[in-house]
Amino acid sequence: GAGVSQSPRYKVAKRGQDVALRCDPISGHVSLFWYQQALGQGPEFLTYFQNEAQLDKSGLPSDRFFAERPEGSVSTLKIQRTQQEDSAVYLCASGGTENTEAFFGQGTRLTVV
Amino acid sequence: RKEVEQDPGPFNVPEGATVAFNCTYSNSASQSFFWYRQDCRKEPKLLMSVYSSGNEDGRFTAQLNRASQYISLLIRDSKLSDSATYLCVVNKGYSSASKIIFGSGTRLSIRP
Repeated sequence: GAGVSQSPRYKVAKRGQDVALRCDPISGHVSLFWYQQALGQGPEFLTYFQNEAQLDKSGLPSDRFFAERPEGSVSTLKIQRTQQEDSAVYLCASGGTENTEAFFGQGTRLTVV
Repeated sequence: RKEVEQDPGPFNVPEGATVAFNCTYSNSASQSFFWYRQDCRKEPKLLMSVYSSGNEDGRFTAQLNRASQYISLLIRDSKLSDSATYLCVVNKGYSSASKIIFGSGTRLSIRP
């Protein structure tokens, strides 16, 4: 498809389990963003890639969160030893160049039980 | 202080009313600005970009005031389908990095 694709759409994890969330950006998009959105809140910035380079990871809440984009296209957000407070929708967005709009995937809804 | 701040609402207005939202941002170096719309349990989608001269798209008008560092969105003749959360978005775009920051959103509910 032509849009941003995220998988899985829904993930239920037991507390302490590791999870990996995948994002397929729009082909050719240089920028890729990950956001965390809690219920009733706006998306909170986690990290940003330009091609394969992770230029900003200041929003990652702890060292349990790790993101990569090794070939400058698909990205994976990994959360180790999940906690209940990690429950949220994780949104991925991609963009072409600076100062242009970002296009979002449908998100992965993570529930930690 | 958050980098982008919005009144969370909710705004509950009758169909046909005019409603306005404001948003303030803290980084004066911010370079581009957008309003996104997010429906319940859906991803955010671009509503419109915001230009310094102000811009209009049908019933929607966006304004940017760089001196005061605020952005506004005006919706005229509101429709039931306008009910959603409206997110103010700022792209900092400094050097080779570009960090898009969202406000927490303003919830709008249009009643018949």
